[in-house]
Amino acid sequence: KAGVTQTPRYLIKTRGQQVTLSCSPISGHRSVSWYQQTPGQGLQFLFEYFSETQRNKGNFPGRFSGRQFSNSRSEMNVSTLELGDSALYLCASSSRGGTYEQYFGPGTRLTVT
Amino acid sequence: KQEVTQIPAALSVPEGENLVLNCSFTDSAIYNLQWFRQDPGKGLTSLLLIQSSQREQTSGRLNASLDKSSGRSTLYIAASQPGDSATYLCAVRKVDFGNEKLTFGTGTRLTIIP
Repeated sequence: KAGVTQTPRYLIKTRGQQVTLSCSPISGHRSVSWYQQTPGQGLQFLFEYFSETQRNKGNFPGRFSGRQFSNSRSEMNVSTLELGDSALYLCASSSRGGTYEQYFGPGTRLTVT
Repeated sequence: KQEVTQIPAALSVPEGENLVLNCSFTDSAIYNLQWFRQDPGKGLTSLLLIQSSQREQTSGRLNASLDKSSGRSTLYIAASQPGDSATYLCAVRKVDFGNEKLTFGTGTRLTIIP
């Protein structure tokens, strides 16, 4: 079974631009969660989507948004980029039933200059 | 608000030794606890998941325990190998302010010395 895939793997953007990251979950998984990882703040939960609906949300500003498609693929968008948005963005998929074990993708490294 | 602490932040041990990594959490009302490893610049690899009703889980040389009443979990690694070098993260799943989510610890960076 293929794992979680994320595209692109690396991105360089300029302050003020916007960016869209993509995540394809493990086949059969309907839950996708997004996380931001930085050296200073560690891993922080952004939001979770299940069946095309946002089910849970972390403490991030409205510049961070997401969506999920009918095939469970998810996208995350960050508008008006700031230098502090430079981070590794990880997505995780889960069956959301049973153990609710999270399986992570390799991440997208975003650098904002 | 759930807080998760991992001490020490870094640990170096000679190859072949057994070792224990610690994870503490402040709110015992958790759904489950998951241990991950992360290699530099990479994503997270799930190692073990313990449900709130369980006391421990084992996979190969790894054994994780959970004591909800004291807010602690340990990850035991037997017969350590250089390939075990990585950052180990624990995460607890619970509801915080109406949102169900994973809260991560800051990790323990493990180095196995050949």
